[in-house]
Amino acid sequence: EVQLLESGGGLVQPGGSLRLSCAASGFTFSSYAMTWVRQAPGKGLEWVSNLSGSGGSAYYADSVKGRFTSSRDNSKNTLYLQMNSLRADDTAVYYCAKGLYSSNVWGQGTLVTVSS
Amino acid sequence: QSALTQPASVSGSPGQSITISCTGTSSDVGGYNYVSWYQQHPGKAPKLMIYDVSNRPSGVSNRFSGSKSGNTASLTISGLQAEDEADYYCSSYTSISTLVFGTGTKVTVL
Repeated sequence: EVQLLESGGGLVQPGGSLRLSCAASGFTFSSYAMTWVRQAPGKGLEWVSNLSGSGGSAYYADSVKGRFTSSRDNSKNTLYLQMNSLRADDTAVYYCAKGLYSSNVWGQGTLVTVSS
Repeated sequence: QSALTQPASVSGSPGQSITISCTGTSSDVGGYNYVSWYQQHPGKAPKLMIYDVSNRPSGVSNRFSGSKSGNTASLTISGLQAEDEADYYCSSYTSISTLVFGTGTKVTVL
């Protein structure tokens, strides 16, 4: 079964850091670009980042550029999102998703709360 | 990158057809055939309903169809059912290799 499982969310103070993980199974992970999407409480979907299959090419939303970094370890079938200088408006459920132009496989999401 | 524009809400009676619009620019919707539509029920992850403008993933009902004209894409749900009540989002690839989502549409089945 194709599956994505996020972890690493939690409560962090403004200015702090957090690293999210997304463990993939059931498909050839290295062959697919991966995407991070977030959803603030009661709000719509916001694209955060995409990362090529090799990990060599990444793109970011303006709202996170310079603060967030996507990476992957294809030997571990895992995608990461390093989040630094977190702000209150980064509070959201973060989803990882398979694919670049569209995603038919999503994780269950992990909640990140930025608050003092 | 500004969000694509969708109506905030659309409603219809069971059995009716409804259409949700998604308006962007020539740098996203109008420039690429990489428009997707997602259905999201409360507390759940989004589910892909349409990809590449008009293609349905395996397992998605043929009551869902997609199209595009110029900078506007559309999702039509025919034979509306109670289970179709959800939030719907469009997305498009962009000229700067990013993705942009729509503002979201709440579908209510009367």
